Amino acid sequence: DIQMTQSPSSLSASVGDRVTITCRASRSISSYLNWYQQKPGKAPKFLIYTASSLQSGVPSRFSGSGSGTDFTLTISSLQPEDFATYYCQQSYSTPYTFGQGTKLEIK
Amino acid sequence: QVQLQESGPGLVKPSETLSLTCTVSGGSISSDYWSWIRQPPGKGLEWIGYISYSGNTNYNPSLKSRVTMSVDTSKNQFSLKLSSVTAADMAVYYCARAVGYFYYMDVWGKGTTVTVSS
Repeated sequence: DIQMTQSPSSLSASVGDRVTITCRASRSISSYLNWYQQKPGKAPKFLIYTASSLQSGVPSRFSGSGSGTDFTLTISSLQPEDFATYYCQQSYSTPYTFGQGTKLEIK
Repeated sequence: QVQLQESGPGLVKPSETLSLTCTVSGGSISSDYWSWIRQPPGKGLEWIGYISYSGNTNYNPSLKSRVTMSVDTSKNQFSLKLSSVTAADMAVYYCARAVGYFYYMDVWGKGTTVTVSS
């Protein structure tokens, strides 16, 4: 199985901050990397596919980059609704695997 | 706009079989791949597997011996069965649409909580 490791596991930030979350795969996954946002008690919401493609309707302050084994999710200017847990997920090979999550909290 | 809704018993006895159904509305099940994902309380997400509209399946090897997925295109539904459940199978179970060829999961159900207890 491909292991996905996110860092940090938690992050405190303020509204308006620029934040970056990193996701590393245990071996190359090309650009088969997706990002999801999850709020407490809710289903994950799909944000980004193939590492850098923004899902329709997702605000442009979200962006993704990377290929191979190293990827990043960046939020350019945090809004109150962005405080949530973020997961990366590889869809390069089955079993598809998720990172352990990064909890973004209000400072 | 495609929407997914999970249904099934919220309580299952140990050693019995968990059975869930996902109903697809606002679109046809006759394309893409249809997935199950679970999330134990306070933990991360685990991919269980997917089934195509034609019935092709791909299961997580960690659960493969206990998982069966099926699809009913006439009802626009797909289903999950997980046998011999234990407390470790307690989780919120989500169904989701996986878009081929990149298999990203773009539409999710709200999730259903399954408790394993006698």
